[in-house]
Amino acid sequence: DTAVSQTPKYLVTQMGNDKSIKCEQNLGHDTMYWYKQDSKKFLKIMFSYNNKELIINETVPNRFSPKSPDKAHLNLHINSLELGDSAVYFCASSQVGGGPQHFGDGTRLSIL
Amino acid sequence: TQLLEQSPQFLSIQEGENLTVYCNSSSVFSSLQWYRQEPGEGPVLLVTVVTGGEVKKLKRLTFQFGDARKDSSLHITAAQPGDTGLYLCAGRAGAGSYQLTFGKGTKLSVIP
Repeated sequence: DTAVSQTPKYLVTQMGNDKSIKCEQNLGHDTMYWYKQDSKKFLKIMFSYNNKELIINETVPNRFSPKSPDKAHLNLHINSLELGDSAVYFCASSQVGGGPQHFGDGTRLSIL
Repeated sequence: TQLLEQSPQFLSIQEGENLTVYCNSSSVFSSLQWYRQEPGEGPVLLVTVVTGGEVKKLKRLTFQFGDARKDSSLHITAAQPGDTGLYLCAGRAGAGSYQLTFGKGTKLSVIP
């Protein structure tokens, strides 16, 4: 039974398109996150939500919009995709903010 | 901005050898987490250290948090091919902070 699941696992699309990535956790955690991991494996926080409330919003282009319909779900919508958006996007959750995190297996986004 | 420097960036050793990887910062962290990430998967938590000077052992892995809580090390004894992966350290600034700062990782390859 997967604790943090993301869909899709792979996403290949053209520049300028709009796409969404979904994330669900069944751990009962209050806090969820989106991270971006670049080709050099650097993992950078994008957003954090606690109980559906936005807590962290790092300097991310406003083409990226997170949405948390409930505390078990945190989705990421990206408008007008650019070449530089190619990366692996990880969803994570933790029981308390900043605490030990459980990661999903990532969504590999490739922009053509 | 708090930064975590990990060294070495890459490490390739023979099975059975010992190794140490380092995670250093000029900033103080309330706690530090170590993760291992394998190709195609998300990071998996290994340990959290909280108290300055704390040492934690996980089978052949020994983690230490510096006295000043600015640095940490991971020592692996008698490395095995199954230890291969990307080792990431992540620091939490304050007890109430929602944000983790990740280092850029040490990529370890253990050759049979």
